[in-house]
Amino acid sequence: AQSVTQLDSHVSVSEGTPVLLRCNYSSSYSPSLFWYVQHPNKGLQLLLKYTSAATLVKGINGFEAEFKKSETSFHLTKPSAHMSDAAEYFCVVSDRRENFNKFYFGSGTKLNVKP
Amino acid sequence: ETGVTQSPTHLIKTRGQQVTLRCSSQSGHNTVSWYQQALGQGPQFIFQYYREEENGRGNFPPRFSGLQFPNYSSELNVNALELDDSALYLCASLKQGVVHNEQFFGPGTRLTVL
Repeated sequence: AQSVTQLDSHVSVSEGTPVLLRCNYSSSYSPSLFWYVQHPNKGLQLLLKYTSAATLVKGINGFEAEFKKSETSFHLTKPSAHMSDAAEYFCVVSDRRENFNKFYFGSGTKLNVKP
Repeated sequence: ETGVTQSPTHLIKTRGQQVTLRCSSQSGHNTVSWYQQALGQGPQFIFQYYREEENGRGNFPPRFSGLQFPNYSSELNVNALELDDSALYLCASLKQGVVHNEQFFGPGTRLTVL
């Protein structure tokens, strides 16, 4: 079965410094991988998705993620954090066996950005 | 923001009661998925509806049920509410059959069971 592990429940960075949010996945089939962001009292917003076209995926607001099959990882990065990046981030996997329709979420990483 | 809407935004119920949550899908989407997000956790898949029928279910008991209507909107019904049902309930819409589908989420309904 598919699963997602987000290695850090909380990450704290200073404004202007790099962000790294770690995600490892388990899937027996060619997966789709996503990062979603959830701001307080808001719905989930898609940051980026991996669909096998390119291993380095660029998303909105300067975020990007690299798919590494050998490491079963899909870590999210941003070169320079902004105060508005403070939110909870979810790594998500789906795969062909379930027609890519069922999402498996990680437990989330809360990003804190210090001034 | 996505075109997915949910109602109500907040709801307070007591144990044993029943609740109905509603979701309108984004234009062009024919499938709705429901998720439960307990405090401090990631969303958990409840079930999905396509062509007005259940099209996959997660590890939730039968007292969680749903409907989909011809206009693709959907309802989530929960009977015999328990305290642990307190959570944010999210619906997501998508178009069936698209490879590497992304789902578009609504803002959620916050359910509190007392």
